[in-house]
Amino acid sequence: DSGVTQTPKHLITATGQRVTLRCSPRSGDLSVYWYQQSLDQGLQFLIHYYNGEERAKGNILERFSAQQFPDLHSELNLSSLELGDSALYFCASSVRAENTEAFFGQGTRLTVV
Amino acid sequence: AQRVTQPEKLLSVFKGAPVELKCNYSYSGSPELFWYVQYSRQRLQLLLRHISRESIKGFTADLNKGETSFHLKKPFAQEEDSAMYYCARTGANNLFFGTGTRLTVIP
Repeated sequence: DSGVTQTPKHLITATGQRVTLRCSPRSGDLSVYWYQQSLDQGLQFLIHYYNGEERAKGNILERFSAQQFPDLHSELNLSSLELGDSALYFCASSVRAENTEAFFGQGTRLTVV
Repeated sequence: AQRVTQPEKLLSVFKGAPVELKCNYSYSGSPELFWYVQYSRQRLQLLLRHISRESIKGFTADLNKGETSFHLKKPFAQEEDSAMYYCARTGANNLFFGTGTRLTVIP
């Protein structure tokens, strides 16, 4: 158990819908990263928050947004869902913003039908 | 741009054979390098970090700054080593991952 908790574990929804994925980092970690893992594209970095502020943005679509709250948990919002958004979404946390290893959650498997 | 390259998408070896998973990184500052392992679409788990210089599950990785490489090696592969392996480097408020290598150990 890495200490990073993601909910829900599985999510099935229809195209055009909106979902929210939640991540609770390890106790004491200030950084939260979001990644998308699909079968054909490996691990794609989406966004990084550190202590409530956005630090880096990757290949995140405009339909997607995220935030980190004062209690340091983070939410990833996915809207106007498309079939191609079906993937495993991982959250990872780390102590610092740079030069440190990250600990991963179990992921949320999103299926868009 | 900060990059991590894993040239092999798939790698198959026989049980007991040596295995090497390649990783090259772009040079920028003094990054930390890691290897992560993912078994059957589970969470990614940290396998090795270059600064600790330790051996985990028989795996080692040496940082070669001249070649900007951080290849993962194991002298005798086991069936339970079959998994997805990701090389990663730190930098610029991010943890950059390679595209991963799926290792299959054939019994």
